[in-house]
Amino acid sequence: AQSVTQLDSQVPVFEEAPVELRCNYSSSVSVYLFWYVQYPNQGLQLLLKYLSGSTLVKGINGFEAEFNKSQTSFHLRKPSVHISDTAEYFCAVMRSGNTPLVFGKGTRLSVIA
Amino acid sequence: DARVTQTPRHKVTEMGQEVTMRCQPILGHNTVFWYRQTMMQGLELLAYFRNRAPLDDSGMPKDRFSAEMPDATLATLKIQPSEPRDSAVYFCASGDRVNSPLHFGNGTRLTVT
Repeated sequence: AQSVTQLDSQVPVFEEAPVELRCNYSSSVSVYLFWYVQYPNQGLQLLLKYLSGSTLVKGINGFEAEFNKSQTSFHLRKPSVHISDTAEYFCAVMRSGNTPLVFGKGTRLSVIA
Repeated sequence: DARVTQTPRHKVTEMGQEVTMRCQPILGHNTVFWYRQTMMQGLELLAYFRNRAPLDDSGMPKDRFSAEMPDATLATLKIQPSEPRDSAVYFCASGDRVNSPLHFGNGTRLTVT
């Protein structure tokens, strides 16, 4: 079975500062990795995904993530955050294509002006 | 821009009443997932279907929850009788193929009093 740990439940950061949201996963098989963002009262929107190939993945809104197999991590980064990035961020794993996502508990990013 | 549609967006009901939530997956997507989101448990998989056949519903309380896909354009999640502990946001998501991320609806926020 797969599991996902998001190490920080809340991350406050000042506007234009860099941010890293941490994600570690556990799986006995190869997995696909995802980051989703949830704005208030909305569904989850895909930020980026790692399926194979380059370990550095770029997504929407200036976010990127790096897959590290030896550390079983998939941390999300952005060099300069905006107020509009305030949201809940979820890391997720998928065992194989078109199977259920297993989510972490989420990290609430609060960007302070 | 194709999207998953969920109705109703909000539902307030009294304990003991029947609740039906509906989901219209993206046209052509053959896999549909139901998730429940609560503060305590985060995002939990309730059930999922592929080509309208249920593949896994182990996440659902069997005595009161039921999920069906009457046709390829409609998935339903029913709770009968509802209880206050069922209060949560229920998300539907759909996917179409290997290596494809899931697309989420905006959810149904259920409050059982």
